[in-house]
Amino acid sequence: KNQVEQSPQSLIILEGKNCTLQCNYTVSPFSNLRWYKQDTGRGPVSLTIMTFSENTKSNGRYTATLDADTKQSSLHITASQLSDSASYICVVSYGNNRLAFGKGNQVVVIP
Amino acid sequence: DADVTQTPRNRITKTGKRIMLECSQTKGHDRMYWYRQDPGLGLRLIYYSFDVKDINKGEISDGYSVSRQAQAKFSLSLESAIPNQTALYFCATSDSGTGGGYTFGSGTRLTVV
Repeated sequence: KNQVEQSPQSLIILEGKNCTLQCNYTVSPFSNLRWYKQDTGRGPVSLTIMTFSENTKSNGRYTATLDADTKQSSLHITASQLSDSASYICVVSYGNNRLAFGKGNQVVVIP
Repeated sequence: DADVTQTPRNRITKTGKRIMLECSQTKGHDRMYWYRQDPGLGLRLIYYSFDVKDINKGEISDGYSVSRQAQAKFSLSLESAIPNQTALYFCATSDSGTGGGYTFGSGTRLTVV
């Protein structure tokens, strides 16, 4: 069973619309959770990092939330742009510097 | 210049050949990692190194070896490449401590024919 589950696997949205990506994890003890954006053919780039005590964090049009009690996180994209087309990867740090990666949410923004 | 540089960016090699992928970083981070990414499988850890004298196997180390030549350099070798090693390979670095974020290289696309 995957330790980090992301949903939906892929989605297509119209430019200007909002969308929300989900990440559920099972690993413990929790250290932090990061969302990365990966453009096609490029390496992942960090968007946000959240620790246990943080519920929400924004980076421009990206807003991440974390519920450490239910082990759920979301990434909300506001007013999507064509450049938001990418894979968004949820990464959970736990235990002794261990990482668990989700498989990513593939987002396609169409004009 | 990129913080984490991988060479080559693309490589096609034949089955049975030895190939080395190189990674260098200017972040000054002590930790370096090699991942492979396959469609539908996400990123999987091959090897990692917490300092020059430290090498650790990840979840899929079979068929691979690494060398940490210096704090800034971490190379991945395929001693005898096979087709199922065709994938996108990423090098990453991080600072020690749980708060350190990862910096990824741009990736090496390896095709074994």
